[in-house]
Amino acid sequence: DAGITQSPRHKVTETGTPVTLRCHQTENHRYMYWYRQDPGHGLRLIHYSYGVKDTDKGEVSDGYSVSRSKTEDFLLTLESATSSQTSVYFCAIKRDNMDTQYFGPGTRLTVL
Amino acid sequence: EDKVVQSPLSLVVHEGDTVTLNCSYEVTNFRSLLWYKQEKKAPTFLFMLTSSGIEKKSGRLSSILDKKELSSILNITATQTGDSAIYLCAVLYYGGSQGNLIFGKGTKLSVKP
Repeated sequence: DAGITQSPRHKVTETGTPVTLRCHQTENHRYMYWYRQDPGHGLRLIHYSYGVKDTDKGEVSDGYSVSRSKTEDFLLTLESATSSQTSVYFCAIKRDNMDTQYFGPGTRLTVL
Repeated sequence: EDKVVQSPLSLVVHEGDTVTLNCSYEVTNFRSLLWYKQEKKAPTFLFMLTSSGIEKKSGRLSSILDKKELSSILNITATQTGDSAIYLCAVLYYGGSQGNLIFGKGTKLSVKP
């Protein structure tokens, strides 16, 4: 258990509404990641962070933004949700000087 | 384009069977290869492989990396129903200030009693 929580765990929303997902960690790790997982695509990196206010884009960043104002929280925002963003979203952390990433429990998002 | 390919995509076996899952990759700036197990929740870490030919082992699971062939295998012996899961292979590559993971699509393993 890497001390990662995600909220909410489930969310149903409508097309065009803004949505924010939260990832919270208790162990002060510098590196945090947001992935989405879809059938037939596996896990794909959306955005990642390597410190407070330091973030960068991943493979599928279009339509998503992130913020990290505190070490422990990494927020993923869908400014205007679309049905193609229906997915399971996982947050992950990586300990400094180690390569392994550890995943949070996931958020299932449905956009109607 | 960097990619990680797993095979087979799905597999059905009976308890007691031995299975071999495959992962091949084409990734520039390769650093290491990781295996995860995913049941109905978050992926959990199994192994990380960095050097060719050195087997990592944990109970009935083992894995080895072949950097010449750009591939890895995950073996599970004497399978049990609790081994039913999606097994994910991921490659860590150097990118910018730190490494990122590219995942394969996974192999769905079903173990029948």
